[in-house]
Amino acid sequence: EVQLLESGGGLVQPGGSLRLSCAASGFIFSSYAMSWVRQAPGKGLEWVSGLSGSGDRTFDADSVKGRFTISRDNSKNTLYLQMNSLTAEDTALYYCAKPWFGEFAYLDYWGQGTLVTVSS
Amino acid sequence: QSVLTQPPSASGTPGQRVTISCSGSSSNIGSNYVYWYQQLPGTAPKLLIYRNNQRPSGVPDRFSGSKSGTSASLAISGLRSEDETDYYCAAWDDSLRAVLFGGGTKLTVL
Repeated sequence: EVQLLESGGGLVQPGGSLRLSCAASGFIFSSYAMSWVRQAPGKGLEWVSGLSGSGDRTFDADSVKGRFTISRDNSKNTLYLQMNSLTAEDTALYYCAKPWFGEFAYLDYWGQGTLVTVSS
Repeated sequence: QSVLTQPPSASGTPGQRVTISCSGSSSNIGSNYVYWYQQLPGTAPKLLIYRNNQRPSGVPDRFSGSKSGTSASLAISGLRSEDETDYYCAAWDDSLRAVLFGGGTKLTVL
């Protein structure tokens, strides 16, 4: 059974940093690209970043380019999202999601999300 | 602001057929597959339709997807009260090299 468990969310001040983690199980982690998707309170879904199975190719939404870095440790079956220079607009529930191989819009499994709140 | 455009709301009565549209451009829907997600309140999104018109195992055949040019549609037939929730379309964009989601459509079953 595929499981994705996010952690690392919390309250952070504007300009601060946070690192999210997503522990994956139930599939061959290194064979699949992975993604982060976020949802601001009461708003729609926004794709944040994607990463190839080997970790050598990354893709980011314009809204986070230069501030967020997606990475993975295939030996630990874990996906990360390093978030820097956070603003109030980054406040959201952050989901880890598994694409079907490298088909980034084809998200067949999702975690339950971790909440990030940016506020002073 | 979403580059994939969905109507913010849709409605229908039980048993009816409703459609939700998703409009894009040549760099996204026009050249890539479209996906649809259903999000029940307080839960993570669930894949409803993949590759324009394919249903994952367990999704009722009341749900169907189609695509034509730079637009796509999700159709729900035999509308049921449990279908009342939010629906999102998504597609890869070749120019942005990113996934785009539509703004979402809130479906109300009257």
